Amino acid sequence: EVQLVESGGGLVKPGGSLRLSCAASGFTFSSYSMNWVRQAPGKGLEWVSSISSSSSYIYYADSVKGRFTISRDNAKNSLYLQMNSLRAEDTAVYYCASLLEAAMAFWGQGTLVTVSS
Amino acid sequence: QSALTQPASVSGSPGQSITISCTGTSSDVGGYNYVSWYQQHPGKAPKLMIYEVSNRPSGVSNRFSGSKSGNTASLTISGLQAEDEADYYCSSYTSSNWVFGGGTKLTVL
Repeated sequence: EVQLVESGGGLVKPGGSLRLSCAASGFTFSSYSMNWVRQAPGKGLEWVSSISSSSSYIYYADSVKGRFTISRDNAKNSLYLQMNSLRAEDTAVYYCASLLEAAMAFWGQGTLVTVSS
Repeated sequence: QSALTQPASVSGSPGQSITISCTGTSSDVGGYNYVSWYQQHPGKAPKLMIYEVSNRPSGVSNRFSGSKSGNTASLTISGLQAEDEADYYCSSYTSSNWVFGGGTKLTVL
C-alpha cells in the first residue's frame, strides 16, 4: 500500500523558517517525481514545487521561488521542503504527492503550517 | 500561472448526471493532454479521479469520466450517489508547472 506521511508543520513567525518532510513507503520512491501542493484554509489547491526522480529537474511556483527549496533523499525514501522567509500567505496545509503521467497519483494526509506573530 | 476556471458549485439529485467544466488557455488545458481531476471530501486529502484527460486510475468508479475540447476540460459524474458530494478540482500541466482550478463544490440533493 502506498503511503505518504508528511511532518514538520507548526506555528512559525513571519520571516521564520520551517522544514517539511514526507516519508514514502509502498512504492519505488526513487522512480517517481514528487510534488508539494498546498491548500490555504477554506481555499483551493495550489501547486508549490516539483522534483524529478533523480533531482535533475526542479520547479517552483512563482509565489515561492527564491524562498522555498525542494529536495529528496532516495536512500531514505524521503521528500523535503525547506521554507524560508515565511509570510502569512504561506499559511496552509502542505501535501506531498507522487507524480504519475503528469497527475498527482497519491497524496499524503498533509501537515499544517501556520505563519503568524 | 493563472488558475483554471471552474464553476463554484453544481448540484444534482441521486441517479442524475452532472458535468463540471474547467476552462484554461492554449498554454495549459488546450496545449497538453495532461488534465487531471481530484475529489476532496472535507478534512481529507485529494484523491485522483481522472488523469490524462479521460483515464481512470484503478479503483475509480466508471461513473466518472473526463473529456476535453479546445481549452475546456470536463468531468462528468453519472448515476450520482450521496458519497459523490465533495469538492472537485481540475489541474493541468503547463510548461514545467502545474495549475489547478478554483474548485467546484458538488451537492447531491
